[in-house]
Parts: sequence; C-alpha cells; structure tokens
Amino acid sequence: RKEVEQDPGPFNVPEGATVAFNCTYSNSASQSFFWYRQDCRKEPKLLMSVYSSGNEDGRFTAQLNRASQYISLLIRDSKLSDSATYLCVVTFSGSARQLTFGSGTQLTVLP
Amino acid sequence: DAGVIQSPRHEVTEMGQEVTLRCKPISGHNSLFWYRQTMMRGLELLIYFNNNVPIDDSGMPEDRFSAKMPNASFSTLKIQPSEPRDSAVYFCASSNTGTVVLAKNIQYFGAGTRLSVL
Repeated sequence: RKEVEQDPGPFNVPEGATVAFNCTYSNSASQSFFWYRQDCRKEPKLLMSVYSSGNEDGRFTAQLNRASQYISLLIRDSKLSDSATYLCVVTFSGSARQLTFGSGTQLTVLP
Repeated sequence: DAGVIQSPRHEVTEMGQEVTLRCKPISGHNSLFWYRQTMMRGLELLIYFNNNVPIDDSGMPEDRFSAKMPNASFSTLKIQPSEPRDSAVYFCASSNTGTVVLAKNIQYFGAGTRLSVL
C-alpha cells in the first residue's frame, strides 16, 4: 500500500463548478500536510498547508481528518487557470524534513 | 529572490555516458533535496542534505547515482553510466528548517532537468 494515496482522476469539470479531492495517508504519526500544485511540464509549487482546524485561502479550502487519516481539498467557483495536477503531501514522524508525495489528481476545468 | 536554479533544463545523452545535473538552492536555505519524476512512479525523493551533509540517500536507485553538496550554494547529481530507464525529470528543491514549525517543511522546487537517455 502506498504511503499517500490519491484518486488520479482525471477530473473534468465546467467553469464555476465546485470540485473536491481526497487523499489518504497510511502513517498515523504523520505530522505535516500540504497541497502542492503542478502545472504541465512545470515544477510543483506549494498551494497551501493543511492545519488541523481546517483552513481556507480564497476559493480553496483544506481539511484534515486525523482519525480517518485523510486530507481534502475543495475548490469553489473553479477557473480555467485551476487546471493542473494537485499533489497531496505528507511528512512522517522521524522524517520531518522529508515530504512524501501522492501521485497527484489531475484537474481540467472546461470552458 | 531568484529561486532554486537548476541546469541544464534539458539533457539528451546516449546510454553509457556520464550525466551531471546541477542545482543552486535558495540563499539561506539549509536543506536540499533531489527528486525524480516519471509517469509510472510519480515524484520520488532520491537524497536530501541538511547543512551540506547527506542525511538520507535511501532513495538513490543504485550505485550509478551519486550526489554531492560541496557548499551551501551548490549541489550536483551524477549518473554514471546513464541508462535509458534513467530518463525522467529531475527536480532539486530547498527549504529552510528555521524556527517556524510548518515553514520548516515547505520546499521550493527548481524548474527541473528533463533527461533523455537514448
């Protein structure tokens, strides 16, 4: 079983739609959680950190459920520019500096 | 800030040749990471350095791969001899393991080196 699992998609949604991605992690001692975004043929970039209480950044909302070991990302009012691959990222206890990446969920927002 | 700088951006070489990838981390960052990304395996950590010292190289595929960080502003990843299965995008990332807990783990990636071994 992979340490971080995501639905690869692809998710094809119309502009303005709300879309949600989930990610599960296997290590209950995981410490930090992030969503990174990777555009086609570009490097991954931090989208947002995920806090235990949940957090919002504009149209993006991240949630963490430690009991069920999953993280979610909600995108409201999706834009064409949101089209990218979204990577779920976790650090594990004892390897605080090391990021473990999920395989990514591909999103295409259609006009 | 110039960000993480990698060179070359593209490299095409023949099987058996030596390949050297270069990385300049963000000034002031004390951790540096080398990743490899392929369609099949996604993003894999190869090795990381903290304060120029290799901490974990368990992700390095085999002895053909080696990495060095002679100083805080430069690192290399070398493949010798290269094989077609090494074809991938190689990313370098850096972070600053400072005092803010979450900020420690935020990594900033370079644009990557796209390697093709024929």
